[in-house]
Amino acid sequence: GAVVSQHPSWVICKSGTSVKIECRSLDFQATTMFWYRQFPKQSLMLMATSNEGSKATYEQGVEKDKFLINHASLTLSTLTVTSAHPEDSSFYICSASPGLGPYEQYFGPGTRLTVT
Amino acid sequence: GNSVTQMEGPVTLSEEAFLTINCTYTATGYPSLFWYVQYPGEGLQLLLKATKADDKGSNKGFEATYRKETTSFHLEKGSVQVSDSAVYFCALLTGNQFYFGTGTSLTVIP
Repeated sequence: GAVVSQHPSWVICKSGTSVKIECRSLDFQATTMFWYRQFPKQSLMLMATSNEGSKATYEQGVEKDKFLINHASLTLSTLTVTSAHPEDSSFYICSASPGLGPYEQYFGPGTRLTVT
Repeated sequence: GNSVTQMEGPVTLSEEAFLTINCTYTATGYPSLFWYVQYPGEGLQLLLKATKADDKGSNKGFEATYRKETTSFHLEKGSVQVSDSAVYFCALLTGNQFYFGTGTSLTVIP
């Protein structure tokens, strides 16, 4: 089946630094990738949608200058959390779709970010 | 607005017990409904889905029926196994966007 990987699986960084999370589709080309955020005991919340070669579309309330998304190729999308603060600590999940919409979506295992 | 509410966990069952995880939704339009499962260390995997009212999704012994009149999509399995231990997410798709529940952790003990 379709496999999506994320790297790193867990990262700790200091306040004020930036951290990059990678999302790769290993055995298919992902036209669209999605980034979600999950707080403990809460739902996955969609942060942004990105299509290869285009600027990401951010959901309302998500700071695009803080959460930089780059979908540079059909198999790789990156999320960079800039100037991280403790409130950015969360579980970040990406997913990838080979189609043009979210109906067929394959999820990565997630990245746990802790900002100290 | 659109939202999904599912029963809080964690749920602990003995092997071969009957499982129900409740899920209700609020949506505009006519959503599709999904159950995803997440095993430890892995990504969410689609377990089953239903695209219209009265459809029943089924997979691996799990079932859920799209009930428009009660806006529900409860997940059931007649006899759970230890290997079913995971986190289960109910979700709806409408307007080209997914909305997820908070997840329900299930632990099955031998």
